[in-house]
Amino acid sequence: NAGVTQTPKFRVLKTGQSMTLLCAQDMNHEYMYWYRQDPGMGLRLIHYSVGEGTTAKGEVPDGYNVSRLKKQNFLLGLESAAPSQTSVYFCASSSAYYGYTFGSGTRLTVV
Amino acid sequence: QKEVEQDPGPLSVPEGAIVSLNCTYSNSAFQYFMWYRQYSRKGPELLMYTYSSGNKEDGRFTAQVDKSSKYISLFIRDSQPSDSATYLCAMSLNTNAGKSTFGDGTTLTVKP
Repeated sequence: NAGVTQTPKFRVLKTGQSMTLLCAQDMNHEYMYWYRQDPGMGLRLIHYSVGEGTTAKGEVPDGYNVSRLKKQNFLLGLESAAPSQTSVYFCASSSAYYGYTFGSGTRLTVV
Repeated sequence: QKEVEQDPGPLSVPEGAIVSLNCTYSNSAFQYFMWYRQYSRKGPELLMYTYSSGNKEDGRFTAQVDKSSKYISLFIRDSQPSDSATYLCAMSLNTNAGKSTFGDGTTLTVKP
């Protein structure tokens, strides 16, 4: 019973590099989300998806792109990493009428 | 001003104490209210999920929603050192088709 799996768990990037964060859920949830968590700023929604093939912008979408080609996967891309994107990234999934199941997070440092 | 306000703490209590964690919100359209617990360097995990006003109890945890005052609370009875974590409140509109709005979290330490 894996729930929500995020890869990688840790990553160090140089400014300007690109990377993709992977999120996979095995609960057949319709909704998936990407958040970033920074000290003193709580969880901030980057992008979310209400179903396969759909995505929408959240509170802080600039500098990120997402794709949901399969229902169980939600990918978060950083095209040109900046130090301001140093953060802990959490993926979550949910059904329509219950709370979120979060992954264990990806700690990203951009130097 | 944020839609959801939560006292960041930190809050430190002795083992066995009753803990009260609170959030206020401004959007009267919120219908679903959640509490999450987040241990250090882990992802948040859902503790309580309630719909509209009223109380919900689960073991040592009680969630309380007062929509007239736009105020929600989480009570922890007989607190244990294992309850030491950050507690996040969250709320959403009619369904999860969209997104939840989170408070910034209250850090709780329960001392043996």
